[in-house]
Amino acid sequence: DARVTQTPRHKVTEMGQEVTMRCQPILGHNTVFWYRQTMMQGLELLAYFRNRAPLDDSGMPKDRFSAEMPDATLATLKIQPSEPRDSAVYFCASDPGNTGELFFGEGSRLTVL
Amino acid sequence: AQSVAQPEDQVNVAEGNPLTVKCTYSVSGNPYLFWYVQYPNRGLQFLLKYITGDNLVKGSYGFEAEFNKSQTSFHLKKPSALVSDSALYFCAVKTNAGKSTFGDGTTLTVKP
Repeated sequence: DARVTQTPRHKVTEMGQEVTMRCQPILGHNTVFWYRQTMMQGLELLAYFRNRAPLDDSGMPKDRFSAEMPDATLATLKIQPSEPRDSAVYFCASDPGNTGELFFGEGSRLTVL
Repeated sequence: AQSVAQPEDQVNVAEGNPLTVKCTYSVSGNPYLFWYVQYPNRGLQFLLKYITGDNLVKGSYGFEAEFNKSQTSFHLKKPSALVSDSALYFCAVKTNAGKSTFGDGTTLTVKP
């Protein structure tokens, strides 16, 4: 059963530390998204890639966040330095080919103390 | 800019009764509309989509959605609600560039 895999599922860290979240999209899916979910803001699109090329990262705080796809099987989202306001659930999703039908991972719940 | 709005934060319905979760959209051009469901501590799951064709779209778990171009709406419906349908529901619209924008979500509670 093909699925999007995210690690870690839970992360607790202290303010100022670096956090890296990883995502393995479904094999063959060429579009990968990073979303952040909070109670206050709902689901926010942070960045997305097609065929590993970044298409839009306007939703991401540039000074501390970075997103990359080093290869077709791995997408990363890095926060450095982390802040308490970054506490949220971060979702990765993949799309088989610009269909709009997104397959979501289970999320990475980040708590920054 | 393309957007969707879900006017109700919460919908409560008794088991066995029909349910409706509302969504309105604002797009330029033809809309590509979607519904997703999220259970606690899980990722979102695709339910159904409207691209073109029949205004009534059928999806997973007995859900359907009605596209209404004149009212710019895409309401999610189910004829008979189950307690297990209780979850958070999101409406979404896809841009031509492939970016999906989600509504704020509606919490559906089905009471026995």
